[in-house]
Amino acid sequence: TQLLEQSPQFLSIQEGENLTVYCNSSSVFSSLQWYRQEPGEGPVLLVTVVTGGEVKKLKRLTFQFGDARKDSSLHITAAQPGDTGLYLCAGSRGGFQKLVFGTGTRLLVSP
Amino acid sequence: GAVVSQHPSRVICKSGTSVKIECRSLDFQATTMFWYRQFPKQSLMLMATSNEGSKATYEQGVEKDKFLINHASLTLSTLTVTSAHPEDSSFYICSASPLTGSNTEAFFGQGTRLTVV
Repeated sequence: TQLLEQSPQFLSIQEGENLTVYCNSSSVFSSLQWYRQEPGEGPVLLVTVVTGGEVKKLKRLTFQFGDARKDSSLHITAAQPGDTGLYLCAGSRGGFQKLVFGTGTRLLVSP
Repeated sequence: GAVVSQHPSRVICKSGTSVKIECRSLDFQATTMFWYRQFPKQSLMLMATSNEGSKATYEQGVEKDKFLINHASLTLSTLTVTSAHPEDSSFYICSASPLTGSNTEAFFGQGTRLTVV
């Protein structure tokens, strides 16, 4: 059972466009992380959010944790081809290590 | 950041044989490591929690006799896929965290692509 549903599953956009990826669950998580994964490689951590309502910014990426700690969003401003990849949210219920991964969003940014 | 290394990065084996995948924490010690499996175009699914010096904890639906996990030291966990079948072909990824504190991030290996022919 996949506890974290991401939407959209696939997104193909032009360079310069903005986009938002959603990560939703009916369960509460103590923390939520966002990863980006390139083909044939392990996921790389982008951010960890732990407080309901928390917003974190990483250059052109903005992450938000829902007030009830059941959902999160990732917003990318002015997407670039280098942003292309598989974006995964992952929740944990204690510590940051044992993770339940979301269904994934595959992003393609064309020049 | 901390480094986790998997070996091999790619392996092809014949049906019925066993294959061992290693996960090493290169610059830190880890009492717990995690093994995930990722099928093409899908997300990561947790298979098991590897505990140093004790038995691994398997997620529901994962056969412990098929996926043998050994965590003999604080820097090495191994996953052995026994009697491999083509449906075991997948991308296997491990993660580990430093000993200090429970709220430390997990670092992922680069993954092992297993193909069973």
